[in-house]
Amino acid sequence: EAYLEESGGGWVQPGRSLRLSCTTSGFTFGDYVVSWVRQTPEKGLEWVGFIRHKAYDGTEENVEYAAPVKGRFTISRDDSKSVAYLQMNRLKTEDTAVYYCTRGYTADWGQGTLVTVS
Amino acid sequence: DVVMTQSPLSLSVTLGQPASISCKSTQGLLYSDGNTYVNWFHQRPGQSPRRLIYKVSNRDFGVPDRFSGSGSGTDFTLKINRVEAEDLGVYYCMQGTHWPYTFGQGTKLEI
Repeated sequence: EAYLEESGGGWVQPGRSLRLSCTTSGFTFGDYVVSWVRQTPEKGLEWVGFIRHKAYDGTEENVEYAAPVKGRFTISRDDSKSVAYLQMNRLKTEDTAVYYCTRGYTADWGQGTLVTVS
Repeated sequence: DVVMTQSPLSLSVTLGQPASISCKSTQGLLYSDGNTYVNWFHQRPGQSPRRLIYKVSNRDFGVPDRFSGSGSGTDFTLKINRVEAEDLGVYYCMQGTHWPYTFGQGTKLEI
């Protein structure tokens, strides 16, 4: 059974940085896309972005970002450790949310980690 | 961005009775590979979302067969055949055809 666990959330001041980790087990990590989705009471569920797996041989970029985070957030992965990362720079108050990582395009979700920017 | 509009936003049902949630998109969701990437999720209070349905009508592993998805183009529906107490919570549709992928605003199911 796939298991994902986010960590690294917390309180941070606007303009600062934070790195979230998504630690996984129970599936062959390198075979899957990993996505990040965030949730707030005001905006609901919102895509942050995703990173494709190495087996992907399409012509598109291997990482996609939603417009509100593009240029500030970076998604990466370490297949040897079965971990994905979300590096968040120049944080804004509107980035306050619960951040989830998912296996594939939302097949399985972690429990989420709260990021508060204020 | 594609807007996913769910209705109703709140649904009060009686146990054992059916329930239906509609989701309409502002663009057609048929992808160039022939698939339509519409998913449905259920979120209980204090929990993360759980995917129930993918590609319009495919149930995820372990999802009871009282849940079914249907639709095409811009109109999609999630149906619960006979609502059970464990079904309470919020249901979301999501489109995974056009980036950025987008979710509906959620439908709260109350028993």
